[in-house]
Amino acid sequence: EAGVAQSPRYKIIEKRQSVAFWCNPISGHATLYWYQQILGQGPKLLIQFQNNGVVDDSQLPKDRFSAERLKGVDSTLKIQPAKLEDSAVYLCASSFRTSGGERQFFGPGTRLTVL
Amino acid sequence: TQLLEQSPQFLSIQEGENLTVYCNSSSVFSSLQWYRQEPGEGPVLLVTVVTGGEVKKLKRLTFQFGDARKDSSLHITAAQTGDTGLYLCAGYGNKLVFGAGTILRVKS
Repeated sequence: EAGVAQSPRYKIIEKRQSVAFWCNPISGHATLYWYQQILGQGPKLLIQFQNNGVVDDSQLPKDRFSAERLKGVDSTLKIQPAKLEDSAVYLCASSFRTSGGERQFFGPGTRLTVL
Repeated sequence: TQLLEQSPQFLSIQEGENLTVYCNSSSVFSSLQWYRQEPGEGPVLLVTVVTGGEVKKLKRLTFQFGDARKDSSLHITAAQTGDTGLYLCAGYGNKLVFGAGTILRVKS
């Protein structure tokens, strides 16, 4: 079974530029998450989608970050304009529910460096 | 805001030694998960513990959930170089909240 796919794997931009990340979740997983992982920290949830609707975007900096999942499958996360503090790994995850609860599967992440 | 504190932040040991990593919070979680993350990869789920006092074993790894469901520990017996990585605990409240992680380095 194919895992969560993300692209690009690495991106270097200058501050104030724009950048977009793409995620293709595991087939059949209705829930999709975007996390931000700053070096030395654990992942922090940015936004959660259930199909193509937003469930939780309380920690998304909406003045510069946006995300969409138009057809309820793949998703894009955009930063415009980027700041130095946005340098981080951006992880996408998808999940399904089991009898033991929810299980999330993570992609390899996109490492963003803002200069 | 639910916070999870992990300790130690960094651990460097010799192959064959035992170690314990701790995950503590002042909040109660409905379940707690442990993940392992290698450089350039996303976290991979190791275990989910749900019941207070629960103990789960995964080969040389033993996971325990505190009676009050506020803390957890991960114990590795006879560590191997392949155990090297970042170990993250994560608690489920209304969403998954991660600790900052413990970097484990096992030297041969």
